[in-house]
Amino acid sequence: DSGVTQTPKHLITATGQRVTLRCSPRSGDLSVYWYQQSLDQGLQFLIQYYNGEERAKGNILERFSAQQFPDLHSELNLSSLELGDSALYFCASSVGGRVSSYNEQFFGPGTRLTVL
Amino acid sequence: GESVGLHLPTLSVQEGDNSIINCAYSNSASDYFIWYKQESGKGPQFIIDIRSNMDKRQGQRVTVLLNKTVKHLSLQIAATQPGDSAVYFCAENGDNYGQNFVFGPGTRLSVLP
Repeated sequence: DSGVTQTPKHLITATGQRVTLRCSPRSGDLSVYWYQQSLDQGLQFLIQYYNGEERAKGNILERFSAQQFPDLHSELNLSSLELGDSALYFCASSVGGRVSSYNEQFFGPGTRLTVL
Repeated sequence: GESVGLHLPTLSVQEGDNSIINCAYSNSASDYFIWYKQESGKGPQFIIDIRSNMDKRQGQRVTVLLNKTVKHLSLQIAATQPGDSAVYFCAENGDNYGQNFVFGPGTRLSVLP
């Protein structure tokens, strides 16, 4: 168990809908990272927050948004869902803002999103 | 467990043998690289990293080699164990800040008894 929790574990929804994925980082970790893992595109970095502020942005679609709350948990909002958004969504956390062997990331178990 | 990738290249090795997993990266300006391990049904796990000013780094039973000339990274696992069975990804940093990591497609390592 990495100490990072994600809810829900599974989510099934329809095209055009909106969903919210939730992540609670390890105790003491200030950074939260979101990743998407799909069969056709592999693992992709979406976005990072550090202590409530957006720190880095990757291949995140405009239909997607995220935020980190004062208690450091984070939510990833996916709207106008398409079939291609079906994927595993991982959250990771770290103490500091830059991944390294001194600031290791710990990944949650993921949320499996299925868009029908 | 969850399917990470149904058509990943697979490396099969006998238990106790050494494993070498290769990765070609794309950006000649990348200066930081990480190897991740992902077991079935779990999130990726940081294994070892290397910066571009090094060509070799050793951890516990793992060694990463970096060849910047041909943009190639390899992960060597010594005395491979059943618990090493997983998908392994390399990742390179894709921007100056280094958080926008670009991940390789992954290699599935299967350890045979």
